[in-house]
Amino acid sequence: GEDVEQSLFLSVREGDSSVINCTYTDSSSTYLYWYKQEPGAGLQLLTYIFSNMDMKQDQRLTVLLNKKDKHLSLRIADTQTGDSAIYFCAAPRTSNTGKLIFGQGTTLQVKP
Amino acid sequence: DVKVTQSSRYLVKRTGEKVFLECVQDMDHENMFWYRQDPGLGLRLIYFSYDVKMKEKGDIPEGYSVSREKKERFSLILESASTNQTSMYLCASSPESRGTGELFFGEGSRLTVL
Repeated sequence: GEDVEQSLFLSVREGDSSVINCTYTDSSSTYLYWYKQEPGAGLQLLTYIFSNMDMKQDQRLTVLLNKKDKHLSLRIADTQTGDSAIYFCAAPRTSNTGKLIFGQGTTLQVKP
Repeated sequence: DVKVTQSSRYLVKRTGEKVFLECVQDMDHENMFWYRQDPGLGLRLIYFSYDVKMKEKGDIPEGYSVSREKKERFSLILESASTNQTSMYLCASSPESRGTGELFFGEGSRLTVL
């Protein structure tokens, strides 16, 4: 079945770029998502990319999609302490059901 | 803004107690979900519902049941709580398949079973 994999932890210094990686197995995925979870809160959609795109940029965020390798990455430029959170990659389990399968979540630690 | 409200942020229950976790959404979404979040395991789907009185099992339904009597409300029930159900529970909703398929999450309910 569908699987989504992420590394568990990333530590960067304030001002550096952060790159969080994700691999998925289902090549039929239409949208792929990045969610952010701040301490003590639920998940909020950070950004998403449609499967016919290779890249999407939104201010400090850049999403890269390599469909051949089934690899998704999230780059945060000029990382700030407020970016410290857990980042989840997610993909649709099957089309048109609204169900998402989530990766394990990557904890981003930003050191001043 | 879409709002998904989970009635209890923190609960402490004893083994064997019946536990109700309530979730209400105010955007007339057809789909509602219950996920469980554990460190290193991400979010795992317990149950979801695509319509009133309709439900489907997710990946880890054992020990749980759900109820959806009204479109806006989706309840998760632990008939007899056990210590291995200590976890963060997240409710989410989404509209019928259109748009980006985004899920909207509540703040979470952290359950401790002693």
